[in-house]
Amino acid sequence: DSGVTQTPKHLITATGQRVTLRCSPRSGDLSVYWYQQSLDQGLQFLIQYYNGEERAKGNILERFSAQQFPDLHSELNLSSLELGDSALYFCASSVAPGSNQPQHFGDGTRLSIL
Amino acid sequence: QKEVEQDPGPLSVPEGAIVSLNCTYSNSAFQYFMWYRQYSRKGPELLMYTYSSGNKEDGRFTAQVDKSSKYISLFIRDSQPSDSATYLCAMSAPANAGGTSYGKLTFGQGTILTVHP
Repeated sequence: DSGVTQTPKHLITATGQRVTLRCSPRSGDLSVYWYQQSLDQGLQFLIQYYNGEERAKGNILERFSAQQFPDLHSELNLSSLELGDSALYFCASSVAPGSNQPQHFGDGTRLSIL
Repeated sequence: QKEVEQDPGPLSVPEGAIVSLNCTYSNSAFQYFMWYRQYSRKGPELLMYTYSSGNKEDGRFTAQVDKSSKYISLFIRDSQPSDSATYLCAMSAPANAGGTSYGKLTFGQGTILTVHP
């Protein structure tokens, strides 16, 4: 068990809808990262937060947004969903931002768009 | 061309074999190198974490980094059926002043490994 908790485990919804994915980092970790995993693209970095502030952005669509709350949990919001958004969404956390900090991953949320 | 290339396999070996997994990369800024193991329906689990060139050993696992060749490897000795999983290499560059690479991991496609009894 990595200590990173993601909910829900599985989400099924329709095109055009909006969903919120939740992540609780490991105890003591201040930085949260979101990644998307699909069969064709592999694991892709989306966005990073540290202590409530956005620190880095990857290839995150404008329809997607995230935030980190004072209690350090993070939410990833996906709106105007398209079939191509079906993927596994992972959250990872580390003690601090920076490449010298190992990242530990949760078990992900599987998003299925019908 | 992808920044990180990894042979997706699949790789099938008998129990007890030595397994060699490899990745090549093109970005010379990468300084931190990781190997993750991912079981079906689970998140990536950190196996090995190394900085710059050299070797690191942890039990049956050895990670090697050759920055001059932009090549990293993971060796698994005495492989077990429980090692059957997808192995992902990942790497990152030091945070820069612009803040665009603060710990961002770039992953290979993953190699599917099956160890059969």
